[in-house]
Amino acid sequence: GEDVEQSLFLSVREGDSSVINCTYTDSSSTYLYWYKQEPGAGLQLLTYIFSNMDMKQDQRLTVLLNKKDKHLSLRIADTQTGDSAIYFCAESFSGTYKYIFGTGTRLKVLA
Amino acid sequence: DVKVTQSSRYLVKRTGEKVFLECVQDMDHENMFWYRQDPGLGLRLIYFSYDVKMKEKGDIPEGYSVSREKKERFSLILESASTNQTSMYLCASTKSGADQPQHFGDGTRLSIL
Repeated sequence: GEDVEQSLFLSVREGDSSVINCTYTDSSSTYLYWYKQEPGAGLQLLTYIFSNMDMKQDQRLTVLLNKKDKHLSLRIADTQTGDSAIYFCAESFSGTYKYIFGTGTRLKVLA
Repeated sequence: DVKVTQSSRYLVKRTGEKVFLECVQDMDHENMFWYRQDPGLGLRLIYFSYDVKMKEKGDIPEGYSVSREKKERFSLILESASTNQTSMYLCASTKSGADQPQHFGDGTRLSIL
């Protein structure tokens, strides 16, 4: 079945890079997304990548997509305490309204 | 910037009550979605709507209904609230067509006592 998996927790020191990983089973997705959820809030769209791309960079964020291994990652450079949140990856599929979300990775940034 | 507004951040209701959760978006988006978010289960789709008065069931529609009378507003209705509907409810919208980035509201944390 369709599944998107993420590790539950990640802890990094302020100023270091964070890498959040996601693996998925259904490779027919057209877009893959990263969302950020701060405590008590909704999901904020951070960035997304088309499935025929390998990489996308957006300021401190770098998304890497390895379609062969069905692996998506989000790298946050110079991680700040304000980056502490839960990060979700998600897929969407051409011609459908279906979105599959991972269960989220809680990033804790230590000062 | 897209703004998706959910009417309440926190709501407490009693078992058996009829509960309305409201969502409004200001970007003329065609598609709107209701999810619930529970620890360890991620986001699960309850209903979505791709046009006024149109709706489609998601993965967990039981115990819920929806209403889309105007393009900007999508309401989630708990017909007779039960304690297992205590959850965080998230509304999202996308522009026309399938397979678009979703924009979320801040969520409503609903407690059913």
